[in-house]
Amino acid sequence: SAVISQKPSRDICQRGTSLTIQCQVDSQVTMMFWYRQQPGQSLTLIATANQGSEATYESGFVIDKFPISRPNLTFSTLTVSNMSPEDSSIYLCSVARGAREQFFGPGTRLTVL
Amino acid sequence: SQELEQSPQSLIVQEGKNLTINCTSSKTLYGLYWYKQKYGEGLIFLMMLQKGGEEKSHEKITAKLDEKKQQSSLHITASQPSHAGIYLCGAEHNNAGNMLTFGGGTRLMVKP
Repeated sequence: SAVISQKPSRDICQRGTSLTIQCQVDSQVTMMFWYRQQPGQSLTLIATANQGSEATYESGFVIDKFPISRPNLTFSTLTVSNMSPEDSSIYLCSVARGAREQFFGPGTRLTVL
Repeated sequence: SQELEQSPQSLIVQEGKNLTINCTSSKTLYGLYWYKQKYGEGLIFLMMLQKGGEEKSHEKITAKLDEKKQQSSLHITASQPSHAGIYLCGAEHNNAGNMLTFGGGTRLMVKP
């Protein structure tokens, strides 16, 4: 398995501000993804973080709201921009290797006031 | 309707009893993942099924994939309080690489 860490583990933010979430993996991985889990709901894929190029966003998610970086094969960031209370969620990064096993980070619990 | 349906949504069982959780896809499955999530925590990978008829086990948890029916079932034998949590199935609906669509989850409680 992969060891995945996320920072911060939780945060409480004011409306209109932005928060950057970091995801660090202990080894190189081919694929990295960002998911959102809204309160009481299942997970929704936000985007695929591509190394060295722009992220691929799913329907309903845009780069201006959720800019993503992936400078190398072990690290990615997700920024939640101009936050509103509707952005309160758990944000999870996941990684996949060629063996087609996908592992999730511990998540970042975001509360927007 | 959702692309991936899980049933039941919640389940309360007595310790020692067996239980089954189902996951049905409305699209072709290229891979089916099962995860367990404790409240407020990240996801723990349980197993991944890819081939029709495939069956995998991890301790007292067994998962099967029926490719023709586009279904998977997760079976827990002799449930214990440690099995409590939310079980999520995630499906690969294309062969382009690992993007998962998740079911709504099944919340399991095990009464001692």
